[in-house]
Amino acid sequence: GDSVTQMEGPVTLSEEAFLTINCTYTATGYPSLFWYVQYPGEGLQLLLKATKADDKGSNKGFEATYRKETTSFHLEKGSVQVSDSAVYFCALLSSGSARQLTFGSGTQLTVLP
Amino acid sequence: GAGVSQSPSNKVTEKGKDVELRCDPISGHTALYWYRQSLGQGLEFLIYFQGNSAPDKSGLPSDRFSAERTGGSVSTLTIQRTQQEDSAVYLCASSLGYRGESPLHFGNGTRLTVT
Repeated sequence: GDSVTQMEGPVTLSEEAFLTINCTYTATGYPSLFWYVQYPGEGLQLLLKATKADDKGSNKGFEATYRKETTSFHLEKGSVQVSDSAVYFCALLSSGSARQLTFGSGTQLTVLP
Repeated sequence: GAGVSQSPSNKVTEKGKDVELRCDPISGHTALYWYRQSLGQGLEFLIYFQGNSAPDKSGLPSDRFSAERTGGSVSTLTIQRTQQEDSAVYLCASSLGYRGESPLHFGNGTRLTVT
């Protein structure tokens, strides 16, 4: 079945550092890929998405590129801020009949001032 | 506007008791999902409702788990004869889309602790 594997945390960075959170997936066909973020005390919310190979999703300075050849969708940000501290979830939506998102285990990011 | 609302936010129950968790989706959202998040685990899909169609129950872990959605709006997840392994955060989400391609809007979850 479909699965998502993401970098284990927690990750601790200093403000303005470069961020990469790795995400790889296993799926048949051509899934859509997502990053969701959960800020402290809030519900999960969509951060960015990509629906086909080589698409780049971007939002709030975060980017992720859908790489079919490496089955990856790594999240990057050039300069993190304290306000980026949150848990980040990689997810996929199968191109088949399944209707639900399959999520990774989440990566806790803490940015220190 | 109001987001997805879940209640209670925290629930502590004794092993063997039944619990009900409630979800109020965003008005107008036809799709409603329940997920479970255990410590250190990803989000585990439980059940999906879309409009008046039969729900997708493929993620329910046992027959102790059931859910209903009344009037295409509020949903209740019921866990009978709770076990300690049921302890987790139960998340509800709603969306406009049929296959989840429109963003899922999540509630803050219900943290269930079975003692």
